Amino acid sequence: EAGVVQSPRYKIIEKKQPVAFWCNPISGHNTLYWYLQNLGQGPELLIRYENEEAVDDSQLPKDRFSAERLKGVDSTLKIQPAELGDSAVYLCASSKGQGDSGANVLTFGAGSRLTVL
Amino acid sequence: DQQVKQNSPSLSVQEGRISILNCDYTNSMFDYFLWYKKYPAEGPTFLISISSIKDKNEDGRFTVFLNKSAKHLSLHIVPSQPGDSAVYFCAASASYGQNFVFGPGTRLSVLP
Repeated sequence: EAGVVQSPRYKIIEKKQPVAFWCNPISGHNTLYWYLQNLGQGPELLIRYENEEAVDDSQLPKDRFSAERLKGVDSTLKIQPAELGDSAVYLCASSKGQGDSGANVLTFGAGSRLTVL
Repeated sequence: DQQVKQNSPSLSVQEGRISILNCDYTNSMFDYFLWYKKYPAEGPTFLISISSIKDKNEDGRFTVFLNKSAKHLSLHIVPSQPGDSAVYFCAASASYGQNFVFGPGTRLSVLP
């Protein structure tokens, strides 16, 4: 079974430029997450999708960040314009959601490392 | 305000000995907890979970203990191996796995 696929793995841009990250979740996983991880810190949730619907985007800086999940499968996270402080790793994760047992496990992709100069 | 804390940024253990990684949380609504391991340049990998109806869950060399009254959980790795050297994250969720809140991580070094 293929895991969560993210691209690009690395991106270097100048500040004020736009950037986009793509995520392909595990087949059959209805829930998709975008997390931000700064150096030396744990992942922080940006947005969670249930199928096509963004059910929690309270932590997404909407002035410059946007996300979409077309047809409830792939997702794109965009930053426009990028700022120096956006340098971080952007992690995508997916899960089946709450099953009968109520248990839920996130499977992460390898991440997209963004450097803003 | 950090809801999930891992107060030890790093830990060094001799190969073959026990590694104990600790995690504290402040939100009494958390009822489901996960541990992840992360190698450099890779995404976090799921290790083990525990729900609030249990106080212990075991999977091979990994055991997680939950003390709800103290809002504390710990991950025990026995015996520790050099390949266990990684950053370990504790994550917590309310309602059995909606949004997960992660701790800052503990870097484990297992010395040969």
